Amino acid sequence: AQTVTQSQPEMSVQEAETVTLSCTYDTSESDYYLFWYKQPPSRQMILVIRQEAYKQQNATENRFSVNFQKAAKSFSLKISDSQLGDAAMYFCALSSGEYGNKLVFGAGTILRVKS
Amino acid sequence: DTAVSQTPKYLVTQMGNDKSIKCEQNLGHDTMYWYKQDSKKFLKIMFSYNNKELIINETVPNRFSPKSPDKAHLNLHINSLELGDSAVYFCASSQEARGAFFGQGTRLTVV
Repeated sequence: AQTVTQSQPEMSVQEAETVTLSCTYDTSESDYYLFWYKQPPSRQMILVIRQEAYKQQNATENRFSVNFQKAAKSFSLKISDSQLGDAAMYFCALSSGEYGNKLVFGAGTILRVKS
Repeated sequence: DTAVSQTPKYLVTQMGNDKSIKCEQNLGHDTMYWYKQDSKKFLKIMFSYNNKELIINETVPNRFSPKSPDKAHLNLHINSLELGDSAVYFCASSQEARGAFFGQGTRLTVV
């Protein structure tokens, strides 16, 4: 079985500052992918960033970067220079081919951005 | 052009009715999915099709029946709707395990 845990139900950050959202996961597979999805109030699910487990280098996408600690099964998301538009629910997710590539999601973290 | 589109966006219906949600993707992906997001925002896989073949069916009541006429379309038909079926239903598509692209969701309200 695969599980994803997000232990922070809610986080706040001041505009222009940096925030880190935590995620831990469990899988017995050696080949898997990890993702962060953003869900704003519009409810659209937006793929923010992807990490292949076989890659040691942490993925980055503009202001978004991850800290992937494979041995610790940890996958945190860092948002730099936070903007009001970053306010949303963020979901950590895991997938692997052995499980039909389905996404297993964490419970989500609500991110509030203060101006 | 919208990559994954599903219709309708909102659906309000009475208990006992039958309804369908349609989904289409123009990304050329082989795999399509239905996910359910409950009132606590928790997302869970319901079904997955790969090239029109059902590969995942996650303990969903048999009132829910997916149909994939071709690899670009995946529809969800729900019979005898119950109050507990109220949720947001997302269609998604992916190529292998590289991450899914989602439709805008259908908010189903059963009254």
